[in-house]
Amino acid sequence: DAGITQSPRHKVTETGTPVTLRCHQTENHRYMYWYRQDPGHGLRLIHYSYGVKDTDKGEVSDGYSVSRSKTEDFLLTLESATSSQTSVYFCAISDLGAGDTQYFGPGTRLTVL
Amino acid sequence: AQSVAQPEDQVNVAEGNPLTVKCTYSVSGNPYLFWYVQYPNRGLQFLLKYITGDNLVKGSYGFEAEFNKSQTSFHLKKPSALVSDSALYFCAVRDGLGDMRFGAGTRLTVKP
Repeated sequence: DAGITQSPRHKVTETGTPVTLRCHQTENHRYMYWYRQDPGHGLRLIHYSYGVKDTDKGEVSDGYSVSRSKTEDFLLTLESATSSQTSVYFCAISDLGAGDTQYFGPGTRLTVL
Repeated sequence: AQSVAQPEDQVNVAEGNPLTVKCTYSVSGNPYLFWYVQYPNRGLQFLLKYITGDNLVKGSYGFEAEFNKSQTSFHLKKPSALVSDSALYFCAVRDGLGDMRFGAGTRLTVKP
């Protein structure tokens, strides 16, 4: 999976609790992305980062925040988890710009009860 | 904003037969087009992409895709399907200005 790890791989939590997912890369790529995958929707971009401390919103950013303090780590935080955030979350990385291939991590399955 | 449509939720083919997984797109500028495959409980694996140049793009595992600008399509093809090709396939598009947009996915089943 292209030098990308995600932790945890599975998590069950309760509504209203904060949750942080971690993406770690060993490829020294500039861009990092967080997606969620839901049946019938494919993958949808939550947030992305184009450098340390540089982040921007994606298509479905409400209820999520991100941070990138080091090139290799990109954190996704659900401040107060809701059942609608039950999903599989994927991190991706790429090195250049729009035409560059994104490589995906193994995913985190999050269940919010 | 860019968008992608995969008109078939499910494609079934017999092993050894050719396969096609369809994808159409909409972008305002020049498209960057991608195909990914996902096996159960795994992340997405890159198959191939079109950036510019030859309309026929060859990728991993014997897959290829043809970029058709007039029909705004980027169908994935393979001359002879294998049972191991059974998986979920995603088409994605980007126009250089916006996010990568993925289709909803097509589940390919190859029967022996």
